[in-house]
Amino acid sequence: SAVISQKPSRDICQRGTSLTIQCQVDSQVTMMFWYRQQPGQSLTLIATANQGSEATYESGFVIDKFPISRPNLTFSTLTVSNMSPEDSSIYLCSAEQKLDEQFFGPGTRLTVL
Amino acid sequence: GQQLNQSPQSMFIQEGEDVSMNCTSSSIFNTWLWYKQDPGEGPVLLIALYKAGELTSNGRLTAQFGITRKDSFLNISASIPSDVGIYFCAGQTIGTASKLTFGTGTRLQVTL
Repeated sequence: SAVISQKPSRDICQRGTSLTIQCQVDSQVTMMFWYRQQPGQSLTLIATANQGSEATYESGFVIDKFPISRPNLTFSTLTVSNMSPEDSSIYLCSAEQKLDEQFFGPGTRLTVL
Repeated sequence: GQQLNQSPQSMFIQEGEDVSMNCTSSSIFNTWLWYKQDPGEGPVLLIALYKAGELTSNGRLTAQFGITRKDSFLNISASIPSDVGIYFCAGQTIGTASKLTFGTGTRLQVTL
């Protein structure tokens, strides 16, 4: 399976600031995704990161709050903008290497004060 | 929207016991996936199921794709302490561009 890394692994940020999370895959993949996992909860899809075009956002998530870049087939970034304590979560990227099978990165644990 | 309910929500078992958990949906899925998440880590794919009625094993793990396409089951035989973690089911429907819907999770704790 693909090896997926994320940076940073964790961060503590101040309210009103922004944080950009990087996701790197060790092989080219067609589909990359960003998820949010709030404390003690399941995973919720934020958006599909499309290579060469704008990301596709799920209901409840907007580009102004979570801008996403996908400059090539191995890399994507998610920015959490104008953060508030409610944004404290684990943010996970995933990649689909084999049809219908998604593999996940280790996650970025974000705490907003 | 679609919801995947997992049961039980949590379970304490003794080492060596068999474990069963299930996932039910209000909608039909074409693919079922089972993941395990350890604390501080991302989910790790355990088993993927592609056909209704399919039964697939991965070591001590066995999962089944329900005939109705609205449910799936995961069994763990002879549990060991490293089985501790949260198990998530995830489903995918055709035409959703590979998007996964995750279940609510089953927290497994194994006592010696």
